[in-house]
Amino acid sequence: SQKIEQNSEALNIQEGKTATLTCNYTNYSPAYLQWYRQDPGRGPVFLLLIRENEKEKRKERLKVTFDTTLKQSLFHITASQPADSATYLCALGRRSSASKIIFGSGTRLSIRP
Amino acid sequence: DTAVSQTPKYLVTQMGNDKSIKCEQNLGHDTMYWYKQDSKKFLKIMFSYNNKELIINETVPNRFSPKSPDKAHLNLHINSLELGDSAVYFCASSPRKDGGPEPQHFGDGTRLSIL
Repeated sequence: SQKIEQNSEALNIQEGKTATLTCNYTNYSPAYLQWYRQDPGRGPVFLLLIRENEKEKRKERLKVTFDTTLKQSLFHITASQPADSATYLCALGRRSSASKIIFGSGTRLSIRP
Repeated sequence: DTAVSQTPKYLVTQMGNDKSIKCEQNLGHDTMYWYKQDSKKFLKIMFSYNNKELIINETVPNRFSPKSPDKAHLNLHINSLELGDSAVYFCASSPRKDGGPEPQHFGDGTRLSIL
């Protein structure tokens, strides 16, 4: 069965360091992968999209990589700040799935000052 | 000017009751969704509508019935509520249905608690 795993339930790092979150998948061939941020009591907010033919995408302090051979995406936040503390979700979608995406369970990131 | 709004934000009710959750989006999007997020934080799709047409219907008990009066609204009615229905229900929308990778825009959820 399809499975999407995010590296750990929680990740704690020091402010200023780079946070790296992992999303692994099995039994799935995504055409694209998205990353979302979710704050407590709020809905997910879209951050970045990367397609299967792209290796890397950047947006300000965020960077996403996509390795279809390893079946893995890495999400990096450089120069992390306490305001980056949230749960981060990866989501995978197929080309012909009528906009259906499948979410991982998320990684809760805490940045300590 | 909230983009995707859901009501109510909290819903506490007894087992066996029938309840509805409403969702409206003012983004002009064609596609709307309902998701369920359980206590382990997994976000699972339940339904998707495109221009009032049902396009995704996951394995969901038929006690759950979505209804889309127009493309800006997607409501969720739940009959005979059970303890296992306790969760946070999210509404979302995206521009079109052709499988393109557009971002989905989420509401802030309705926390349903069954006593």
